[in-house]
Order: sequence, then structure tokens, then C-alpha cells
Amino acid sequence: QSVLTQPPSLSGAPGQTITISCTGSSSNIGADYDVHWYQLLPGTAPKLLIYEKNNRPSGVPDRFSGSKSGTSASLAITGLQAEDEAEYYCQSYDSSLSGSVFGGGTKLTVL
Amino acid sequence: QVQLVQSGAEVKKPGSSVKVSCKASGGTFKSYAISWVRQAPGQGLEWMGGIIPLSGTGKYAQKFQDRLTITADESTLTAYMELSSLRSDDTGVYYCARAKVAYTYLGWFDSWGQGTLVTVSS
Repeated sequence: QSVLTQPPSLSGAPGQTITISCTGSSSNIGADYDVHWYQLLPGTAPKLLIYEKNNRPSGVPDRFSGSKSGTSASLAITGLQAEDEAEYYCQSYDSSLSGSVFGGGTKLTVL
Repeated sequence: QVQLVQSGAEVKKPGSSVKVSCKASGGTFKSYAISWVRQAPGQGLEWMGGIIPLSGTGKYAQKFQDRLTITADESTLTAYMELSSLRSDDTGVYYCARAKVAYTYLGWFDSWGQGTLVTVSS
């Protein structure tokens, strides 16, 4: 059971917009700790997509954006492409656990 | 940006220990936390613990507190993760990852090792 809750799977057609939610609690997201997002492709290391509130590392398309409100955060992907098919994870810090926490991951399928 | 290179795959017997290394190059080592994150088959990412090399003291997730040791050697820019009393459910890919913000475990991971597959089987 992950500390941060994500939907296990989502799907969308090319060109569509999808949103992946990440729900936490008062000791992590609700305590105003930032939420970060990673993309995981099979056989590769996680790739940072979004950090802090809504910042993208160099090379990440602006189709990816992040937001946060209360005890939840979201990753939006607009103009869905076949190459976006991957697992996506949110990550934050938890003051009760005194360490990083991840969501359970969301498997995105591009139809 | 720092590059992290991990040691190779390991096959271990239940009850034994495994030690995985993570060598850094191209950036500052001692001030930034190196964390260890694992992914078991069919499971999500899980933060195990980390170390800020300058402090020399590891920080551990409660789940791994009694059998995980994380160390760092500043002279070789290498961090180590040793997990003892291995069980079959410890099988998975183990990643090292470096925090972007110095002197803290808060923040995001901007550099990752390539991952090390650890298989625990009798």
C-alpha cells in the first residue's frame, strides 16, 4: 500500500488529454511538500518529468504539466502520443515517515 | 549533471546479503543525498533510504530499518546499499538516485543509476 494513491491504469487516444491524480495526506502533499513526477519505460531508469510546482527539466515537452491543491496533485498530458505509453509515478516527502514517498504508479495506455 | 553507474546483476540465496554500488561522476558528491529506490516485479517504486555523504549517516525507511545499511566513500565517489536477510520478495530492480537539493532528503531526484537486478532464489 503506497502512501500516495494513484489510479493503477488510464488510457487515452492519440491527441487527447489525460490527467493522472496523486492523493496524499496532511503529512505529505497537504503539508505543502512539493510533488514531482517521473516517467518509467520498460527496462529504463525513471525519468524526471515535473519537479516542484510545475517545472520541466530540459528536453521534456510542454505537453506535460503539473498542479497541486490541498492533499492532491495531478499530472496532465495534452496531445497524447504513442511514445507517452509508460508508467507514471508521483513523489513527495512525508514528515511522519521522514523520507521520500512514491505513488503506486499509473500505467498509461495510448489506444 | 552527475552520472550514476551501478554494479551488475546479482543472484542471491534466501537469508544471505547483497551489496550494490553506485559510482558518481561529473558532479558534486558529498553534499547531495544519494537514495536507494527499488521496484519489485509488478510493483511500484519504493524509497528504501539514503545518505548524505558529508554526514556519513544513513537514513532508512522504517520497513528496512533493521536490515539495510547505506554507506558512502567520498574518496571513490561511491555509495553502497547492503540488504541482509534476503527473502524472495526482495527480488527486484534497485536504483540509486541523487537528490537535486543539497543537504536534504527533500526534493526530487534528477539523476538515476541504470538499475541493478537482484534475484533472490534458492
